[in-house]
Amino acid sequence: AQSVTQLGSHVSVSEGALVLLRCNYSSSVPPYLFWYVQYPNQGLQLLLKYTSAATLVKGINGFEAEFKKSETSFHLTKPSAHMSDAAEYFCAVSGEGRRALTFGSGTRLQVQP
Amino acid sequence: EAGVAQSPRYKIIEKRQSVAFWCNPISGHATLYWYQQILGQGPKLLIQFQNNGVVDDSQLPKDRFSAERLKGVDSTLKIQPAKLEDSAVYLCASSLISGANQETQYFGPGTRLLVL
Repeated sequence: AQSVTQLGSHVSVSEGALVLLRCNYSSSVPPYLFWYVQYPNQGLQLLLKYTSAATLVKGINGFEAEFKKSETSFHLTKPSAHMSDAAEYFCAVSGEGRRALTFGSGTRLQVQP
Repeated sequence: EAGVAQSPRYKIIEKRQSVAFWCNPISGHATLYWYQQILGQGPKLLIQFQNNGVVDDSQLPKDRFSAERLKGVDSTLKIQPAKLEDSAVYLCASSLISGANQETQYFGPGTRLLVL
């Protein structure tokens, strides 16, 4: 069964520093991979998605992620953190028969001034 | 374009009571999903509809949870009777066409349920 592991439930960075949120997946078929962001008391918003077109995917708000099949990873990065990036980030996978998403447990990003 | 609407936003009930949540997806979206998000965890699919038919309800606790999408548009999710472990945020999402794997799902703000 497909699954997602997000390493680090909490990540803290300084404003202007690099953001790196880790995601590893497991899937028996070529996966589709997603990153969603959730602000407090709000639903999830799509940041970016990988659908096999290009391994480096650019998303909204300056985020990007690289699909690495050999490492079964889809890490999320942003060169320079902004205070407004503080939120919870979820990696998700689909592709194994079921159409719905399988989510990781999330990483809470804290940005220090 | 209006997003996915959910109501109520918050609900507090006592165990063994019943509760219902409502979702109106984005206009024209054929596929509708209900997810349960327990504090500290990622969302978990409860049920997926395509139009008014059920695609996947394998993780729905059918002894107490039920859901319907009668006219292929809005949907209700019901819990009867509620248990303490049902305390969670219930998220509704929709996608445009067939619910294909690569389609973007659009999420509503969720209903936060507390069972005492």
